[in-house]
Amino acid sequence: AQTVTQSQPEMSVQEAETVTLSCTYDTSESDYYLFWYKQPPSRQMILVIRQEAYKQQNATENRFSVNFQKAAKSFSLKISDSQLGDAAMYFCASNTGNQFYFGTGTSLTVIP
Amino acid sequence: GAVVSQHPSRVICKSGTSVKIECRSLDFQATTMFWYRQFPKQSLMLMATSNEGSKATYEQGVEKDKFLINHASLTLSTLTVTSAHPEDSSFYICSAPDGSGSFDEQFFGPGTRLTVL
Repeated sequence: AQTVTQSQPEMSVQEAETVTLSCTYDTSESDYYLFWYKQPPSRQMILVIRQEAYKQQNATENRFSVNFQKAAKSFSLKISDSQLGDAAMYFCASNTGNQFYFGTGTSLTVIP
Repeated sequence: GAVVSQHPSRVICKSGTSVKIECRSLDFQATTMFWYRQFPKQSLMLMATSNEGSKATYEQGVEKDKFLINHASLTLSTLTVTSAHPEDSSFYICSAPDGSGSFDEQFFGPGTRLTVL
């Protein structure tokens, strides 16, 4: 089984500033993916970014980037130039095959 | 990306009634779909894996006789909450991989909010 831990229930960031959301995971699998999902008030889950565990290079998607530390089993999300629309719940997740394991989420508030 | 729909988006029912929730993959075929339950301000908890043409696989602690899953076709899975009670009130989300790779991206439905009075 896999476990995913998000130690920050809530975070806030000033608009245009940078914020980092933490995530650690535990798995015995050698091949897996890691994801960050965003869940806005509409409750629709939206994929933000994903990282293949076998890739050493950190994934980036525009203003979103990850710091993947495989040995430490750490997978943090950095949001640069934060925008009001970034306000949402953010879930870290890992998967092996099709089965996903989600963290407990971090509620991000963006302060205008 | 692939689209997954759910119907209804919200439902209110009386205690003791059964409620059916549909999950459809709109532009791709899904031999496997997943059902999650999310309580307020909590994470998604996997309830079961729906397999087309075979029985669903339930997570530990999930009553298979209460949460009936039928994966009738490659684009439709249904979750029926039988004899619903107020403690079953929750947000139910389905997801499906699009089958593009060995570690498929999951596409999530918009969710169904169930309120049992």
